[in-house]
Amino acid sequence: GESVGLHLPTLSVQEGDNSIINCAYSNSASDYFIWYKQESGKGPQFIIDIRSNMDKRQGQRVTVLLNKTVKHLSLQIAATQPGDSAVYFCAETPPGGSYIPTFGRGTSLIVHP
Amino acid sequence: DAGITQSPRHKVTETGTPVTLRCHQTENHRYMYWYRQDPGHGLRLIHYSYGVKDTDKGEVSDGYSVSRSKTEDFLLTLESATSSQTSVYFCAINSAGTGDEKLFFGSGTQLSVL
Repeated sequence: GESVGLHLPTLSVQEGDNSIINCAYSNSASDYFIWYKQESGKGPQFIIDIRSNMDKRQGQRVTVLLNKTVKHLSLQIAATQPGDSAVYFCAETPPGGSYIPTFGRGTSLIVHP
Repeated sequence: DAGITQSPRHKVTETGTPVTLRCHQTENHRYMYWYRQDPGHGLRLIHYSYGVKDTDKGEVSDGYSVSRSKTEDFLLTLESATSSQTSVYFCAINSAGTGDEKLFFGSGTQLSVL
């Protein structure tokens, strides 16, 4: 199975390219989604979020796309930089005020200078 | 790290000894969480708290207990540490109920049980 570290799905890109990281979520009722970035030796950091009543949201150099029909979430990073190298996690939260997100296994992004 | 401090940052202990990890927040957030992160399993929820003295189990709670006597502190205790509890432990907070539901994570505690 996928893992943090060596056994994670890995995306390798060149500096300046655009990156797309994908995530399949499991609960069709989930109504809130977040992308996190985790650099080596650090805790996950919030990047961007989206609610289920939207299909696209843009931040600074990042865009999240939500396709509820196929339960798919993607994170697009424009003009990828070496500092973007990290593990990226998606998380889904079901409705009903549980506030307990479920995290995906993560994707390792490697940016080559 | 959004006003979250975990202590200690690193801990080496022996099998059978008790261990307590501390999470301290300065954000006055209602929800606090303890996760462990291991290769092959990603982030797994151990316990969480939704208020002072209000806690509940996550998916991997066996062998762990928690306490929250104050809003700002959430303690994770391994009553008798085992080698399977060697992991990186993350605390997180959430301002749930305010319309903002994102989690903010601490820097982690690397625990090694020998």
